[in-house]
Amino acid sequence: AQTVTQSQPEMSVQEAETVTLSCTYDTSESNYYLFWYKQPPSRQMILVIRQEAYKQQNATENRFSVNFQKAAKSFSLKISDSQLGDTAMYFCAFMKLSGGGADGLTFGKGTHLIIQP
Amino acid sequence: NAGVTQTPKFRILKIGQSMTLQCTQDMNHNYMYWYRQDPGMGLKLIYYSVGAGITDKGEVPNGYNVSRSTTEDFPLRLELAAPSQTSVYFCASTLQSSYNEQFFGPGTRLTVL
Repeated sequence: AQTVTQSQPEMSVQEAETVTLSCTYDTSESNYYLFWYKQPPSRQMILVIRQEAYKQQNATENRFSVNFQKAAKSFSLKISDSQLGDTAMYFCAFMKLSGGGADGLTFGKGTHLIIQP
Repeated sequence: NAGVTQTPKFRILKIGQSMTLQCTQDMNHNYMYWYRQDPGMGLKLIYYSVGAGITDKGEVPNGYNVSRSTTEDFPLRLELAAPSQTSVYFCASTLQSSYNEQFFGPGTRLTVL
């Protein structure tokens, strides 16, 4: 079984600052995907960024980027030029590929990110 | 496309009552999932389905049942509701060919008193 650990229950930064959210995972799988999901107060789950484990290059999506360290089983999310709309819960999630994705996602407990004006 | 829709949005049940949470997707996705999110926690997988007529248990299936008679619908049944089932329930779907992105519904907040 996989486990995902997010060690920062809450973080607070000023608008326009850069913030990094941590995530570590434990698995014996060699092929998998990693994700960061955003959950604003509306509780809608929104995919922020994804990383294929077989790719060495770190994924980026506009102001969002990841630092994927496969050997260390670490997958942090960096948000640059943070905006008030980034205030939300952020969840790190894991999906193994051996089941074709059918097994679903394994989530961490989340980090509550607060962007202060 | 409406995407993934869930009904109801909110529900209060008494202990021992039963109910069905509805989930429908109009994207012709073959994979569908039910998750629950307890306060301060991440989502946990209850049941999943890889196609009509095929379902399987996830991490926390006790107290729930599912069925998948069509590609579009994946209802979750709660029998004999208990306070431990107070949670927010999310339905999600994806295509097998693009299983790296799950689309989530807006969730159902269920309280059992």
